[in-house]
Amino acid sequence: EAAVTQSPRNKVAVTGGKVTLSCNQTNNHNNMYWYRQDTGHGLRLIHYSYGAGSTEKGDIPDGYKASRPSQENFSLILELATPSQTSVYFCASGGGTGGRYAEQFFGPGTRLTVL
Amino acid sequence: GDSVTQTEGQVALSEEDFLTIHCNYSASGYPALFWYVQYPGEGPQFLFRASRDKEKGSSRGFEATYNKEATSFHLQKASVQESDSAVYYCALSDRGSALGRLHFGAGTQLIVIP
Repeated sequence: EAAVTQSPRNKVAVTGGKVTLSCNQTNNHNNMYWYRQDTGHGLRLIHYSYGAGSTEKGDIPDGYKASRPSQENFSLILELATPSQTSVYFCASGGGTGGRYAEQFFGPGTRLTVL
Repeated sequence: GDSVTQTEGQVALSEEDFLTIHCNYSASGYPALFWYVQYPGEGPQFLFRASRDKEKGSSRGFEATYNKEATSFHLQKASVQESDSAVYYCALSDRGSALGRLHFGAGTQLIVIP
C-alpha cells in the first residue's frame, strides 16, 4: 500500500516565524509535490520535485521554499510566515514510468494556522 | 494557462439519486483527465483517469467520458449512497508535463441524505 506521511498534522505559528512542514513517502516515487487547499480554489501546486536534490516552482511559489534531501523526504519551508498562508497543506508522491498519466498518492494533510 | 472548471460548488442528493458533477477544461494539446475524491479528514485519493477522446474511465460505480470536442469530463453515478458523501476534484495533466503536474478544479462537495 502506498504511504505518504506528513508532520506535524496541526501547527500554529506566529507571523514572521519560520515554519517547516515535512513529508515522507515509502513508495519509491521519483516525483513529490506540495499543494495547499483553500475553499474556492481547490488544490494549488506550490513546489514539486523530480528527485533528490531537485526542486521546481509550481503555480504559487511566492513565500515558500522547498527541500528534497532524499528520495523519501520533501519539506516545505515558510521563512517568514504570514496569516495569508493559513491553509491545509498536502504532500503527494507519484510518477515513475506513468509520467503524466500517473496517479498521485496524497498524505493526510497539515493544518497550518498563522496568527 | 491550463485550467479546470467545476460549476457546482455543492450538490445535495438523496440516496439512490443519479449524480452528475460537471467538469470542463481548458488546455493546449491533449491533456490526461482525472477524478480524485476526498473524504473528511483525509487527503485526496485517485478515482480514475482517461487519456484520449471518447475513453471512459470508471471506478466504484462512478464513470466519466473524455469529450474533446466539448472539453468536458463529467462525473456520473447511477445511484448514490450516503458513503459517497465527499469532495470530488476534477484535474488535468497537460501534454508537456512529464512530471505529472496536475491542475485541479475548485472541487464539488457531494452531500447524500439518507
